[in-house]
Amino acid sequence: KNQVEQSPQSLIILEGKNCTLQCNYTVSPFSNLRWYKQDTGRGPVSLTIMTFSENTKSNGRYTATLDADTKQSSLHITASQLSDSASYICVVSPGYSSASKIIFGSGTRLSIRP
Amino acid sequence: ETGVTQTPRHLVMGMTNKKSLKCEQHLGHNAMYWYKQSAKKPLELMFVYNFKEQTENNSVPSRFSPECPNSSHLFLHLHTLQPEDSALYLCASSPNDEAPGGARNDEQYFGPGTRLTVT
Repeated sequence: KNQVEQSPQSLIILEGKNCTLQCNYTVSPFSNLRWYKQDTGRGPVSLTIMTFSENTKSNGRYTATLDADTKQSSLHITASQLSDSASYICVVSPGYSSASKIIFGSGTRLSIRP
Repeated sequence: ETGVTQTPRHLVMGMTNKKSLKCEQHLGHNAMYWYKQSAKKPLELMFVYNFKEQTENNSVPSRFSPECPNSSHLFLHLHTLQPEDSALYLCASSPNDEAPGGARNDEQYFGPGTRLTVT
């Protein structure tokens, strides 16, 4: 069964610190993996996307990694800011599929404290 | 702004009421989606429209009724809801839901959502 598991479920860190969020998936065949940021009460917004051949992608202070062999991805946030407080959702797209077949993780709720 | 708008942003309704959620996309996309998001659970796909035709109904109860008059607008009509239907309802769009295999084709753009509370 195609699944996406994220950890931790929630995380609290101090402003300025770094953190890493994890995503493990069992989706096969694999097309691409996205990380979304969802602010409270808002819709998800795409941060990064990686295909099979890419193992790292950066977007400002956000760096995503992908190990397609172990089916693991991580999202690293550097020098966290209060505005980073949000849910981060890992989304995996099966190969040869359409948008309606993508699989969402449950998300990691990140809180940044001053 | 993602190019997808939703109204209203918040809605409180009783179990006997009838209300509608509206979604509009300004991206020129041909596919639109309704998702339900409950606390600590993954997004649940409800309905898919591609070129105005409904292509997926993910076993959604009949108290939820979608309508897609054109590729830019999507509605979700609600009637006789239950308290467990309280959730964030998200609309999304993508270029074409029948174009497989590729990062360009399956990217979805989400609206801000409607926070629904059923009392």
